[in-house]
Amino acid sequence: GAGVSQSPRYKVAKRGQDVALRCDPISGHVSLFWYQQALGQGPEFLTYFQNEAQLDKSGLPSDRFFAERPEGSVSTLKIQRTQQEDSAVYLCASSPRTRQGSSGSRRRETQYFGPGTRLLVL
Amino acid sequence: AQKITQTQPGMFVQEKEAVTLDCTYDTSDQSYGLFWYKQPSSGEMIFLIYQGSYDEQNATEGRYSLNFQKARKSANLVISASQLGDSAMYFCAMREPSGAGSYQLTFGKGTKLSVIP
Repeated sequence: GAGVSQSPRYKVAKRGQDVALRCDPISGHVSLFWYQQALGQGPEFLTYFQNEAQLDKSGLPSDRFFAERPEGSVSTLKIQRTQQEDSAVYLCASSPRTRQGSSGSRRRETQYFGPGTRLLVL
Repeated sequence: AQKITQTQPGMFVQEKEAVTLDCTYDTSDQSYGLFWYKQPSSGEMIFLIYQGSYDEQNATEGRYSLNFQKARKSANLVISASQLGDSAMYFCAMREPSGAGSYQLTFGKGTKLSVIP
């Protein structure tokens, strides 16, 4: 079965350029997350979607970062006027779980990650 | 405050030996989940094992087991019979409810495991 896919895998941008990163989650997964991973660090949360609704964007570092998931499947993370500090790996993850209620089952709890997009801003 | 602490930046293990990667966590919630992911040099995050806070038994997945000590707030990963392909970064992560209603993962800084032939 298809896992989470992301494109492009690598992106080099000049400072000030806008970029768009795409994520295709696992089919049927309700929840979608974006994370940012700086070199030598663990991933850090950016934003969360349940279907098409963006329920949490508390991790977005500035208003230059914008994410959408208009039809509840594919998501795009857009970074406007890129800066050198935006250089990182951007990871997308999907999960079957919805926000409401507790779960506890491994299958519903697990977030499955894509291969990431490595962004380098020069 | 650091919610996930991995105190071992790097570890070495002989092939076919067992190795334990340490993870401690901090939360005031009763309901939470703990995860271990493997990240090879290629960059993808591979799910290894999950432990729910209410699970009474330690989780196991093949050669991976999670030594869950709730009172000590530790969730160490044990890899048995190490293989060369186990060389990678290993991340411990916790899922807990957030004020905004999502349940994102909070990751530690990772441990780099090197398996020696």
